[in-house]
Amino acid sequence: ETGVTQSPTHLIKTRGQQVTLRCSSQSGHNTVSWYQQALGQGPQFIFQYYREEENGRGNFPPRFSGLQFPNYSSELNVNALELDDSALYLCASSLGQTSDEQYFGPGTRLTVT
Amino acid sequence: AQKVTQAQTEISVVEKEDVTLDCVYETRDTTYYLFWYKQPPSGELVFLIRRNSFDEQNEISGRYSWNFQKSTSSFNFTITASQVVDSAVYFCALSEPHGGSQGNLIFGKGTKLSVKP
Repeated sequence: ETGVTQSPTHLIKTRGQQVTLRCSSQSGHNTVSWYQQALGQGPQFIFQYYREEENGRGNFPPRFSGLQFPNYSSELNVNALELDDSALYLCASSLGQTSDEQYFGPGTRLTVT
Repeated sequence: AQKVTQAQTEISVVEKEDVTLDCVYETRDTTYYLFWYKQPPSGELVFLIRRNSFDEQNEISGRYSWNFQKSTSSFNFTITASQVVDSAVYFCALSEPHGGSQGNLIFGKGTKLSVKP
């Protein structure tokens, strides 16, 4: 186990709704990255937070937003949910900003109907 | 542009067979990192290895070994004497600390390995 936890495990939402996913990083890690993994695909980078600031963003629209808290836990918020947002959302924690070993949580499975 | 290609979508072997998972990457950076992750059915990505672009030494860890060849931009992963517990999806990933990805992981599409008893 990596020590990275995510909640909830599963979630079902309706198109147009908003959702918040949560991640607690491994002890001592100050960086959290979020990834979206569609079925049968590799994870795709959404954004990264380093010491409470957004440190980089992938090709995702602004309705994907996030936060990192002083204890380095993090939230991913998605507004105006679309059917294509159905995916496994993975959170990874690491020590430092770049290319460090990222340790992943178990993920949150989001289904949008 | 950065890219990771795992041409093998699915591989099926019988227990105790050796199996090699291929990974080819594209990058313009001279400094980069390569990773392998394992994703069992539970969904959690398990870190297996990280190599930097300046270290082409092959690595062995138990039944796992990795062959890094810059000349062919490949970072292949071999499991010797496979076991049923090795069944999972395996992802190869690239990171460029100074490149456009801000050091985050660019994944291939994964190779699903099924090891039958």
